[in-house]
Amino acid sequence: QSVLTQPPSASGTPGQRVTISCSGGSSNIGTNTVNWYQQLPGTAPKLLIYSSNQRPSGVPDRFSGSKSGTSASLAISGLQSEDEADYYCAAWDDSLHGPVFGGGTKLTFL
Amino acid sequence: QVQLVQSGAEVKKPGASVKVSCKVSGYTLVELSVHWVRQAPGKGLEWMGGFDAEDAETVYAQRLQGRVTMTEDTSTDIAYIELSSLRSEDTAVYYCATAFAVEPAAVPLYWGQGTLVTVSS
Repeated sequence: QSVLTQPPSASGTPGQRVTISCSGGSSNIGTNTVNWYQQLPGTAPKLLIYSSNQRPSGVPDRFSGSKSGTSASLAISGLQSEDEADYYCAAWDDSLHGPVFGGGTKLTFL
Repeated sequence: QVQLVQSGAEVKKPGASVKVSCKVSGYTLVELSVHWVRQAPGKGLEWMGGFDAEDAETVYAQRLQGRVTMTEDTSTDIAYIELSSLRSEDTAVYYCATAFAVEPAAVPLYWGQGTLVTVSS
């Protein structure tokens, strides 16, 4: 069982906006920033959002992140076919002295 | 830009040990905090351990304590993870992932390509 809680699945239609939630606690999201990763089948996770709301260079501005209290969200607007992937949130946990991950959300098209 | 290149796939028998390497380029190991994360087939990401920059020590996930060892060779900028007493449940893709050591409580930014470890008799 993962320390951070994500919905196992999400879906949308091309062009739609989708939001994926990530819920944690006071020792992780409540105190530290959140990263989001995109994982395509058979590949390593790729950084999508860091420091809760910052995009690395090369990541389209269709992807955005936010954090409030002990929860975080990833929003994808203008959904495209190549966005079908697994998405993971992560945050440092002060009690475990290491990063904790969400269980992942599989994004599919309707 | 940090680049991480891992060693190739391994097949091991139950009870054996495996050692996976992660070659760093673009930065030196001294500048980075290295973590190891694994992913069992069809499952999510599991943190195995890594460098806690705030306390300046390597921390291991409790469930792997006693079976996992992480080391670094700063002369070659290669990080290693060794897992002993392998079981079938250890079959997974193992990733090295790094953050910058100057940032405490930093979650990994860069990831290696992964190394498949298969444990089978």
